[in-house]
Amino acid sequence: AQKITQTQPGMFVQEKEAVTLDCTYDTSDPSYGLFWYKQPSSGEMIFLIYQGSYDQQNATEGRYSLNFQKARKSANLVISASQLGDSAMYFCAMRDSPGFQKLVFGTGTRLLVSP
Amino acid sequence: EAGVTQFPSHSVIEKGQTVTLRCDPISGHDNLYWYRRVMGKEIKFLLHFVKESKQDESGMPNNRFLAERTGGTYSTLKVQPAELEDSGVYFCASSQGQGKVSYEQYFGPGTRLTVT
Repeated sequence: AQKITQTQPGMFVQEKEAVTLDCTYDTSDPSYGLFWYKQPSSGEMIFLIYQGSYDQQNATEGRYSLNFQKARKSANLVISASQLGDSAMYFCAMRDSPGFQKLVFGTGTRLLVSP
Repeated sequence: EAGVTQFPSHSVIEKGQTVTLRCDPISGHDNLYWYRRVMGKEIKFLLHFVKESKQDESGMPNNRFLAERTGGTYSTLKVQPAELEDSGVYFCASSQGQGKVSYEQYFGPGTRLTVT
């Protein structure tokens, strides 16, 4: 069965610094997708970035980048130049076999950005 | 364009009562999903609709949970009778795509259900 592991319950970073949120995954399916979502205190889940298992390059979206290491089964989220508004819960998720679109989530990492 | 909306935002009910949660997906999105996060645990998949049909309901915990999607538009999730362990945040998400994989799911703000 697919599994996502986020080992950091909480992370602290100072404004303008970079931070890496860890995510490892387990699947036997050669085709899969990896996602990161942000959940601010208001509760909504905001899609940040996506990486397909066959993508040759690491995904980037503005200040977000995904450090995809397929052999190690890791998909860490890197946030550059942290801002106060980045304080939130961050969830790593995986979509398993094509045609079955459900997402499997990790337990999340709470990021606090300090001035 | 309006996002995914959910109603109510909060619900507090007593054990044994019935609660119905509603989700309105983004207009035109065929795929609708329900997820649940129990306190301190990961967000877990409940079920997936494609239009009005249940594509995957492997995550539904038991027969106290009933999901419907009338006419392929909004969806309801009914819990009857509610138990203490049903407390949590229920998320709805929607995505485009008809029969093909579409990767981005747009989530609603969730309904926080508390069963006392």
